[in-house]
Amino acid sequence: DGGITQSPKYLFRKEGQNVTLSCEQNLNHDAMYWYRQDPGQGLRLIYYSQIVNDFQKGDIAEGYSVSREKKESFPLTVTSAQKNPTAFYLCASSIWETEAFFGQGTRLTVV
Amino acid sequence: QKEVEQDPGPLSVPEGAIVSLNCTYSNSAFQYFMWYRQYSRKGPELLMYTYSSGNKEDGRFTAQVDKSSKYISLFIRDSQPSDSATYLCAMSDNAGGTSYGKLTFGQGTILTVHP
Repeated sequence: DGGITQSPKYLFRKEGQNVTLSCEQNLNHDAMYWYRQDPGQGLRLIYYSQIVNDFQKGDIAEGYSVSREKKESFPLTVTSAQKNPTAFYLCASSIWETEAFFGQGTRLTVV
Repeated sequence: QKEVEQDPGPLSVPEGAIVSLNCTYSNSAFQYFMWYRQYSRKGPELLMYTYSSGNKEDGRFTAQVDKSSKYISLFIRDSQPSDSATYLCAMSDNAGGTSYGKLTFGQGTILTVHP
């Protein structure tokens, strides 16, 4: 089945740690995105990538990093510089049309 | 002022009611408009996709876009308990075909349809 797979579903991070969230798609989409969702704030764009080896900052990129070495994969690293990382993280992909399709999300909690 | 404003509700209606969900926006360059449905602890799923102004119907769902008023709506007819979810509006300007999928979202409206 075609789709977007995010892992893990739940992730716990200690203070000062970097953690990496995985996102893989087999839809042959060129563009991939990372959004953060907090209660009552909708979705906010962290990073996006339109082609391999290229990516741009979104609205809230501070404290995050990404890579795009393969078309299918767009991992997100939440660094220790992100002071409030507890949130629901959503990965999405799209082709040249603007409909974005989402994965099932990773819930990150700082412990 | 946020680019996209959506009444967060919550909205509670009886089964069979007609539901109206709305968003307003300030960026006149937006020309692609979407509605997503999100169940608790799940990723959003695309419900409706509309380009520019006009109406689009799909089963019990109707999306309307009024670009002159910078206002979009989603109507749900004969609402069902299974429609209970958060509904998110989203839009994009797709400037020059290079920003596809770079969506700006509303805050989401929480809808509950009770039997």
